[in-house]
Amino acid sequence: AQKITQTQPGMFVQEKEAVTLDCTYDTSDPSYGLFWYKQPSSGEMIFLIYQGSYDQQNATEGRYSLNFQKARKSANLVISASQLGDSAMYFCAMRDSGGGFKTIFGAGTRLFVKA
Amino acid sequence: DTGVSQDPRHKITKRGQNVTFRCDPISEHNRLYWYRQTLGQGPEFLTYFQNEAQLEKSRLLSDRFSAERPKGSFSTLEIQRTEQGDSAMYLCASSPMGVAGDLGELFFGEGSRLTVL
Repeated sequence: AQKITQTQPGMFVQEKEAVTLDCTYDTSDPSYGLFWYKQPSSGEMIFLIYQGSYDQQNATEGRYSLNFQKARKSANLVISASQLGDSAMYFCAMRDSGGGFKTIFGAGTRLFVKA
Repeated sequence: DTGVSQDPRHKITKRGQNVTFRCDPISEHNRLYWYRQTLGQGPEFLTYFQNEAQLEKSRLLSDRFSAERPKGSFSTLEIQRTEQGDSAMYLCASSPMGVAGDLGELFFGEGSRLTVL
């Protein structure tokens, strides 16, 4: 069965430092996609980064990178040079064909960036 | 801007009343999803459509919930005989399918917040 686990309910990081948000997943489908979304206090979910299960390289998107370890079934989000505007909820998500192509989400991690 | 729009943004109702939410997806997107999100939790999948066909419904979607997408464009989510446990944010998202370069990411609306008294 599909499952996404985010074990960090909250994380603190000093401004300008890097932070890693953890995500593990479970699927029996060899073809799947992993996503990270940001939800600021305003509420709108914003897509950040994508990693395909067959991608050979870790995805990067500006200050966001995804540390993809397929054998461990982990897809951690790394945010470099944190900014105050990065304070938000972050959700890891997965879509696979076994799940009918729907996307499921983890419980999220709230990130607090300190000045 | 032609992003995903949801209406109403906020709805307060009394227990037992019916409520309906509307979602207008991005026009060229053929997939439309409904999620429910409670405070501090991740979005929970409710149902999704490909064009006008409802392809999957979550077990969370009791028989009091019904969703439609009659012409493959906008969608409605109706909750009948609301209960206090239905209080949540109802999120709509859309996604293209089969488009070259499509990653399958979801484009979300701002949500419809339901409060059942």
